[in-house]
Amino acid sequence: EVQLVESGGDLVQPGRSLRLSCAVSGFKFNDYAMHWVRQVPGKGLEWVSSISWNSGSLGYADSVRGRFTISRDNAKNSLYLQMNSLRPEDTALYYCAKDEKPGIVGATMYVWGKGTTVTVSS
Amino acid sequence: DIQMSQSPSSLSASVGDRVTVTCRASQNIGNFLNWYQFKPGKAPNLLIYGASSLQSGVPSRFSGRGSGTDFTLTISSLQPEDFATYYCQQNYDTPYSFGQGTKLEIK
Repeated sequence: EVQLVESGGDLVQPGRSLRLSCAVSGFKFNDYAMHWVRQVPGKGLEWVSSISWNSGSLGYADSVRGRFTISRDNAKNSLYLQMNSLRPEDTALYYCAKDEKPGIVGATMYVWGKGTTVTVSS
Repeated sequence: DIQMSQSPSSLSASVGDRVTVTCRASQNIGNFLNWYQFKPGKAPNLLIYGASSLQSGVPSRFSGRGSGTDFTLTISSLQPEDFATYYCQQNYDTPYSFGQGTKLEIK
């Protein structure tokens, strides 16, 4: 069974950093692109970032570019999102999601985790 | 950036009803359109990809149509487990944007 489990969400002050992790199982992790999507409470969904199977292609939303870094460790079956210079508007439920192809073009979130909550507040 | 708009934002319906949700893109996106189902506390679920392809394991009462700028998601006969929030997403170009969602509630 394909499983994605996010962790690392927390309450942090503005300007601080946080690292989210997504542990995966049930599939060959290093064959597929992965994505981060967030859901702001009471609002909609925002694509955050994507990474190709070999980390060769990365994509970011303008709202996080330069502050967030996506990465993966294929040996550990894990996806990460390093979040620096956090802002209150980054408060959201963060989901990781699996694609069905190795590249990030045409991102489709075929399988999702349940998410981890990030709250940025003083 | 491509803007996605969904209608209605909420919908009340009964078990057995046929319902349709509409999604419109601000520019031509071909068939690069996906539909997702969200339920509180659960992992979201991909229903339709490529505008009309049914994801494996998704009941056949779900269907998607459209191309270019106008798309629909139809549930042919609502079941109790279908009451949820539905989102469209364009994967034509970054940033990969979502519609604002349609909350389907029990009448």
